[in-house]
Amino acid sequence: GENVEQHPSTLSVQEGDSAVIKCTYSDSASNYFPWYKQELGKRPQLIIDIRSNVGEKKDQRIAVTLNKTAKHFSLHITETQPEDSAVYFCAASSPRDDKIIFGKGTRLHILP
Amino acid sequence: KAGVTQTPRYLIKTRGQQVTLSCSPISGHRSVSWYQQTPGQGLQFLFEYFSETQRNKGNFPGRFSGRQFSNSRSEMNVSTLELGDSALYLCASSGGQTSGNTIYFGEGSWLTVV
Repeated sequence: GENVEQHPSTLSVQEGDSAVIKCTYSDSASNYFPWYKQELGKRPQLIIDIRSNVGEKKDQRIAVTLNKTAKHFSLHITETQPEDSAVYFCAASSPRDDKIIFGKGTRLHILP
Repeated sequence: KAGVTQTPRYLIKTRGQQVTLSCSPISGHRSVSWYQQTPGQGLQFLFEYFSETQRNKGNFPGRFSGRQFSNSRSEMNVSTLELGDSALYLCASSGGQTSGNTIYFGEGSWLTVV
């Protein structure tokens, strides 16, 4: 089945700088890659997703890139703000079974 | 539109007992997935139901089971509870018919086993 690895597990970034979180997946058939943000004590919420027919997608300060050949995808947050502090999860879904499999998460700290 | 609703939100059980958690999906959603969240392991997939049928299953022991009703509401049950079952159990719903559907999470049920 699909396996998703996520790095780093913890990331501290100065406010205003950029943050990058990287994920790799194992199933070459995977075609849907969502990213979720989970604030302390709250539910995970979708912040951006990308499908395998595009290489990059951007939404304001957030962008996701996908490299199908290398089977990795990344989340980029620019001009980080205190409210970006949270745990971020990447995920992958394959049409073989439609399961959405998550990475173990990255705890992002935005330093003042 | 109401979001995914999970009950109960918090519960404490004793080792050896069993527990049932409930999930009401977003109206119109037919797929319900369950995840276990623990600090070290992130979000681990338990199972997924679509139109009352288990469509996918994760790598959890048979003590973990679930079902889905005709109104798409779902329940999961854990029997013979162990201390390691203490976790946040998240339910997520989606339209579910084709692959690559966005899933929407509920607030979760916090289970503590003592």
